[in-house]
Amino acid sequence: RKEVEQDPGPFNVPEGATVAFNCTYSNSASQSFFWYRQDCRKEPKLLMSVYSSGNEDGRFTAQLNRASQYISLLIRDSKLSDSATYLCVVNRAGTYKYIFGTGTRLKVLA
Amino acid sequence: NAGVMQNPRHLVRRRGQEARLRCSPMKGHSHVYWYRQLPEEGLKFMVYLQKENIIDESGMPKERFSAEFPKEGPSILRIQQVVRGDSAAYFCASSPNGLAGGGEQYFGPGTRLTVT
Repeated sequence: RKEVEQDPGPFNVPEGATVAFNCTYSNSASQSFFWYRQDCRKEPKLLMSVYSSGNEDGRFTAQLNRASQYISLLIRDSKLSDSATYLCVVNRAGTYKYIFGTGTRLKVLA
Repeated sequence: NAGVMQNPRHLVRRRGQEARLRCSPMKGHSHVYWYRQLPEEGLKFMVYLQKENIIDESGMPKERFSAEFPKEGPSILRIQQVVRGDSAAYFCASSPNGLAGGGEQYFGPGTRLTVT
């Protein structure tokens, strides 16, 4: 079983739709969680950190469920520019390693 | 404030040659991480360095790969005697603090290595 798992998609959604991705992690001792966005052939860019209490940044909401060991990302009112691959990232507790999921591809359609 | 810089952006090497990839972290960042991304795959951690120290190289292949982060100058990822399987995008990231505390890291644009 992979340490961080994501549905690869693609998720094809119309503009204005709400879309949600989940990411599961296997190490219950993981402490830090992030969502990154990666455009084709570009570097990953930090989208948001995921806090225990959940957090929101504009149209984006991230949640952490420690009991079920998953994090989620909700995008409201999707824009064409949201089309990208969304990477779930988990910090292996007590180490310097960040474990990246293989990403979920989102395509927002006009 | 310049972000993480990597060069070259594209590098073509023949099998058996050496590849040198350079990374300059963001100003004020003293922690550097190297990742490799194969096509259609996720980023794989390779090595974590602070100035003049390798902290964690558990993701580095045992042979042909080495990394350094000297007191002055950029971090270097060196691949000797490249093979076709080394073809990938190599990303460098930096952070102001070590990640053991869960800090955020920022990525450079990557170097795309092609081995012919």
